Amino acid sequence: SQQGEEDPQALSIQEGENATMNCSYKTSINNLQWYRQNSGRGLVHLILIRSNEREKHSGRLRVTLDTSKKSSSLLITASRAADTASYFCATVSNFGNEKLTFGTGTRLTIIP
Amino acid sequence: KAGVTQTPRYLIKTRGQQVTLSCSPISGHRSVSWYQQTPGQGLQFLFEYFSETQRNKGNFPGRFSGRQFSNSRSEMNVSTLELGDSALYLCASSLRLAGGPTYNEQFFGPGTRLTVL
Repeated sequence: SQQGEEDPQALSIQEGENATMNCSYKTSINNLQWYRQNSGRGLVHLILIRSNEREKHSGRLRVTLDTSKKSSSLLITASRAADTASYFCATVSNFGNEKLTFGTGTRLTIIP
Repeated sequence: KAGVTQTPRYLIKTRGQQVTLSCSPISGHRSVSWYQQTPGQGLQFLFEYFSETQRNKGNFPGRFSGRQFSNSRSEMNVSTLELGDSALYLCASSLRLAGGPTYNEQFFGPGTRLTVL
C-alpha cells in the first residue's frame, strides 16, 4: 500500500518557473527520499533528507521536511524542459529495513 | 561504476506461464530490492535480499519469489502468471553494511516490462 499522497497529481508550468510538489506520509520515518522517473524508466535518486533535518539543497532542488505534520515538499527552481518527469517521494521507516514506501507521484510537465 | 542492470528489458507471456527476471546490482552493493509498478497500484515493494537472505517481504502472494546469489545478483520468479501481473518490475541496490541497516538511497535499474496476455 502507498505510504501517502502527493499533491498535486499533475502540474504543468512554463520553462523557467519554479515547481513545488508536496508529499504527506503516515508513519514515523528514518528518512524521506525524492526520486524522478522519466516515462516508464527506472527511478533516479534526487535527494535524501533525514528525520532530524528540516531543509536540504542540491543544485536547483530544495527539500523541506516537517515531521510534526508528516509532510515534505520538493521545490525545483528555474525549471527546464528536461525536468519533465514523474516525481515520487519515498519514506524509510525506523524499523530496520531498506524498504522504500512510495507516494503516488506528481507528473510534472515543463512547457518550453 | 556500472549501474544496476536488469534483463530482459521486455517480456511477453501468457496466463499460467512462469517468468524469471534478473538483476545485477552495482558492484559492492549487497542489498537488492524488488518493486512492482502498475498504473493502478503505483510502486509497491516486493522483497529485499541481503547476503543471500530475504530480509523483508511485501504483501504479495507466494507466486512471487526471489533469491540472491553469492555475487549479489538477484532473480525474481513469478509463477502461474495472471493478467494483473503485467507491470514494470524494478530492481534497486543499495550499500547496506554488514552491521545493520544504513537507510541509504537506492539505485534503480531500468526495469523489466512484463506483459501477460
